[in-house]
Amino acid sequence: SQQGEEDPQALSIQEGENATMNCSYKTSINNLQWYRQNSGRGLVHLILIRSNEREKHSGRLRVTLDTSKKSSSLLITASRAADTASYFCATDARETSGSRLTFGEGTQLTVNP
Amino acid sequence: NAGVTQTPKFRVLKTGQSMTLLCAQDMNHEYMYWYRQDPGMGLRLIHYSVGEGTTAKGEVPDGYNVSRLKKQNFLLGLESAAPSQTSVYFCASSYSPRTQYFGPGTRLLVL
Repeated sequence: SQQGEEDPQALSIQEGENATMNCSYKTSINNLQWYRQNSGRGLVHLILIRSNEREKHSGRLRVTLDTSKKSSSLLITASRAADTASYFCATDARETSGSRLTFGEGTQLTVNP
Repeated sequence: NAGVTQTPKFRVLKTGQSMTLLCAQDMNHEYMYWYRQDPGMGLRLIHYSVGEGTTAKGEVPDGYNVSRLKKQNFLLGLESAAPSQTSVYFCASSYSPRTQYFGPGTRLLVL
């Protein structure tokens, strides 16, 4: 079964609005990552947050991690049409000794111009 | 650098046929992975390798075999294709699971 579960499954917003996506996971992790996938393309790494970090920023991206709730959120501020894509969280679980990631099912974000 | 490349980009097979998907990376990464992605689902790990000459099973390994004879290449084989293996296959590589670099994908249709 998937380690990470994203919520919502789909999100549609207007350009300029903020988009928030959530991810929940089940086991202890070393780190959690977010990836973006444009239609018909491979995944691209966006940001990594370690288990001892609570918040991280990269440009218009803000990621939070709550290990007590086993959840993370990705905030995209001032969204653009080019942000339209699927977003996946991925966990590096301690039980797999850092050898692989487990991906969630993704959130499909549509930013309308 | 080309990054991660996959061959072929698209393939149609008949049930029972075999094929090999090739993944190549030029970043000297130790770790390589094969995933499949089905509509409405995330990526599911098929097999992975933590170094040349090593392979390990992932979440959905049945019906697939892999080989990592050279560090830069990771081959995914389907010995007897089934319609349930219709999917988009992605290869990825990394120094560690911290950041994975993905190829463009191979679309496989099994009739």
